[in-house]
Amino acid sequence: TGVTQTPRHLVMGMTNKKSLKCEQHLGHNAMYWYKQSAKKPLELMFVYSLEERVENNSVPSRFSPECPNSSHLFLHLHTLQPEDSALYLCASSQALVGSLNTEAFFGQGTRLTVV
Amino acid sequence: EDQVTQSPEALRLQEGESSSLNCSYTVSGLRGLFWYRQDPGKGPEFLFTLYSAGEEKEKERLKATLTKKESFLHITAPKPEDSATYLCAVQADGDNFNKFYFGSGTKLNVKP
Repeated sequence: TGVTQTPRHLVMGMTNKKSLKCEQHLGHNAMYWYKQSAKKPLELMFVYSLEERVENNSVPSRFSPECPNSSHLFLHLHTLQPEDSALYLCASSQALVGSLNTEAFFGQGTRLTVV
Repeated sequence: EDQVTQSPEALRLQEGESSSLNCSYTVSGLRGLFWYRQDPGKGPEFLFTLYSAGEEKEKERLKATLTKKESFLHITAPKPEDSATYLCAVQADGDNFNKFYFGSGTKLNVKP
C-alpha cells in the first residue's frame, strides 16, 4: 500500500519505551499522526510539512515525533498511560498552497494497548 | 472554530434500501471536503474530494454532493459489503491548509 505502518499491534507497559513507524511511497511532502479512540473524531496529533513540524496539537511530551525525511515518520512513546490506548494512524498528503489533490492517504494503523 | 458534524451516528439499512449520510461543516474558507470509508481495525480509505458547491462525484453505488454548508453521501441500492464507517473531513484555506478536520463518522450496517 501507499502508506505502511508497523507494528500493526503493540502492547506495552507504562514504563516501556517503544516506537511506531510509518513509511509512505506516494511522493508526498506532508505526513501526519492521528489518534483514533472509540466514538471520537480522529484527533490530529502532529503535522510535518517538508520535514518540518508545523503542528503540535497540545500533545503530551510522552509522545515524541520524528521525521528524518519526507518518506518516514516515527512516533516515540515513553511512560504512557492506559488512556493512551487507541488506534494510531499515520497519513500523508501533497500539501502545497494552491494545489489540488491534497487528500490524505492513511496507513492501516497501529492498535496500541497500554497495560 | 472549524467544525464538522456527521449524522446520523449509525444507520441500519436493508440491502437495496437507498439512503443518504450527512456532513455539515463550518470553516473559514473551504479548500476541500473529503469522504473516507473505514472498516473495523483498519485505516480510512479515501473515496472522494469535493472542492466547490454544486460539485458531484460518483463511484459505484456512492455519490457525493456538496453545498456551501453541507455534503451528502448518497448510497443507492446498498449491499452488505458497503457496511463500514463513513468519515467526512474538511480542509480549510489559509495557514491551516494542511490540516484536516474530521467528523465522528456514520456507522452504516447493511443487512442482507
